[in-house]
Amino acid sequence: DIQMTQSPSSLSASVGDRVTITCRASQSVNSYLNWYQQKPGKAPKLLIYAASSLQSGVPSRFSGRGSGTDFTLTISSLQPEDSAAYYCQQSYTTPYTFGQGTKLEIK
Amino acid sequence: QVQLVQSGAEVKKPGASVKVSCKASGYTFTSYYMHWVRQAPGQGLEWMGIINLSGGNTNYAQKFQGRVTMTRDTSTSTVYMELSSLRSEDTAIYYCARTPYGGNSRFDYWGQGTLVTVSS
Repeated sequence: DIQMTQSPSSLSASVGDRVTITCRASQSVNSYLNWYQQKPGKAPKLLIYAASSLQSGVPSRFSGRGSGTDFTLTISSLQPEDSAAYYCQQSYTTPYTFGQGTKLEIK
Repeated sequence: QVQLVQSGAEVKKPGASVKVSCKASGYTFTSYYMHWVRQAPGQGLEWMGIINLSGGNTNYAQKFQGRVTMTRDTSTSTVYMELSSLRSEDTAIYYCARTPYGGNSRFDYWGQGTLVTVSS
């Protein structure tokens, strides 16, 4: 199985900050990498697919980069509503696997 | 609008089985795959398997092979996930989520989740 490792596991940042979350795959997944946001008590929400494509309706402050084994999710200007857990997920091959998650807190 | 509506919470005893449903609406049912993903309390997301809604063929994560069965009813646009031989570690929220055919398999719509509690 492909292991997905996110860093950091948690972070705290202020409104307006630029925040970057990293995801590393244990082997190449090309660009088959997606990012999700999950708020407490809710289902995950798709933010970015195919490493860098913004899902319809998602604010443009979210962006994704990378290919192969190393990927990043960046929030350009943090907003209060961005407080959530973020997960990367590879769809290169089954079993599809997720990172362990990054918990983002607003200071 | 696309909706995936799941059945309600369940409480089961160890060794029992549970069957969770996911009713789809707002799109052509057989033009997508459906997956099941679970999340134990306070934990991350775990992919369980996929069902092709057109042909009905399935692919399960090895961890669940022999215990999970995914089926669909095209007449009611409903997908089912049955998990047998339940143990306490199966206590989790179970989500259905769809992916389009071809290209990058991203989970673009999710059900609201079904809490399954396994307790004696």
